[in-house]
Order: sequence, then C-alpha cells, then structure tokens
Amino acid sequence: DTAVSQTPKYLVTQMGNDKSIKCEQNLGHDTMYWYKQDSKKFLKIMFSYNNKELIINETVPNRFSPKSPDKAHLNLHINSLELGDSAVYFCASSQRRDNNQPQHFGDGTRLSIL
Amino acid sequence: AQKITQTQPGMFVQEKEAVTLDCTYDTSDQSYGLFWYKQPSSGEMIFLIYQGSYDEQNATEGRYSLNFQKARKSANLVISASQLGDSAMYFCAMRVPFGNEKLTFGTGTRLTIIP
Repeated sequence: DTAVSQTPKYLVTQMGNDKSIKCEQNLGHDTMYWYKQDSKKFLKIMFSYNNKELIINETVPNRFSPKSPDKAHLNLHINSLELGDSAVYFCASSQRRDNNQPQHFGDGTRLSIL
Repeated sequence: AQKITQTQPGMFVQEKEAVTLDCTYDTSDQSYGLFWYKQPSSGEMIFLIYQGSYDEQNATEGRYSLNFQKARKSANLVISASQLGDSAMYFCAMRVPFGNEKLTFGTGTRLTIIP
C-alpha cells in the first residue's frame, strides 16, 4: 500500500502551459506539504495545509496554487510554466501534533519545461 | 529562522567501514526535532532516524545512529558497517513544532560506498 502517492511521476511540457500534480495520502495524517527540489538537490518548503487550511506559503509565485479538497489530498496547479519551474516536486504528509514523527514523502514528480 | 549546515558535499567510503555524516543546526527554539533522510538515485525520500531536542539518549535505528551534541548544535549521522546500498544523498533536516511544521533541510551529502 502506497502511503503518499503523487501523479504523474514525470511531466514534460512547454513553457507557458498550465499543469497540475496530484497528491493523495492514506496515512490518516492531517497535514500535507509541497516541497521543491532544485537541480542542486536543495529541498525547500512551498506550501503546507492542515485540515484543508493553508498554514505555510513560503513566498512562492502566485502562478502556483495549491488546492486541498479534503485532508487526504493536496494538489498543485501551476500556471504559465517557466523554465525555472523545472524541478522535482515532492508531496509529504504528517500528523501535526506528533512532533517526533517524520514527514512521509511521495516519490516525487519530475517536471521538465522545454 | 532555522538553518541546517552540511559541510560535506561528497564522501567516498570503503564497504564495511563506518561513516559519519556531519550536520550542524542553528535555532533559537528550545524544542525542535532533527531528522535524517536518505535519497537514493531512484529519487524517493526515505526517513532514517529522528532525535528530539529533549531526548537524553542518542537515537539508534539498526545500523544508523545519531550523535547528538546539543551544546555544539550538531546531529551527525553514523552508519555502521556500510553497504553498497548505502550509496545515496543524505539530508539532515530540522522541524520546530508548535505551529511551524515545515522541515528545513541542509544541502545534503552524496555518499558513495566503494566495493
């Protein structure tokens, strides 16, 4: 059973297009995250949702819009894709009050902008 | 603001030897958690070990142990009896609880195990 699943695994598209990445977790966690890993492997938080409510937005361009229809899902929509958006995007989840529990990551979505 | 520093961009270690991956952190909070993740070439992020700031004992998980020196603000990962499958990127991360749920990551160390 996959705990945190992201689709698609690979996404190749043209500059200027709009695309979405979906994420679902079956761990019963109440908090979900999007992280971006750049070409140098540096991981940085983008967004965090707790029970469908946005709690972290780390100065991400407003072309990126997360949506959480319920606490098990957190999707990421990106408008007007730019070359600099090429990266691996990871979804993760955790239980907010369990501070000693790790965040569980999906396998990542590799986004390549042509 | 929290900061994690990993000063070893790459390491080469002979198989079966022990290896220490360095991690120092900076935070003004008294309560925090430290995590290590492994990222093999296949790309997934695998949780390895956790240390809480109030934990008196160093964390251990199988071949992984965390050398936690609070006064020095260091949380080094020790892998005993390294194996070829340990070749991967290793990330140290910190989380400050009570409202700030994000993980702040270091830049990672690429570990290569030599047969």
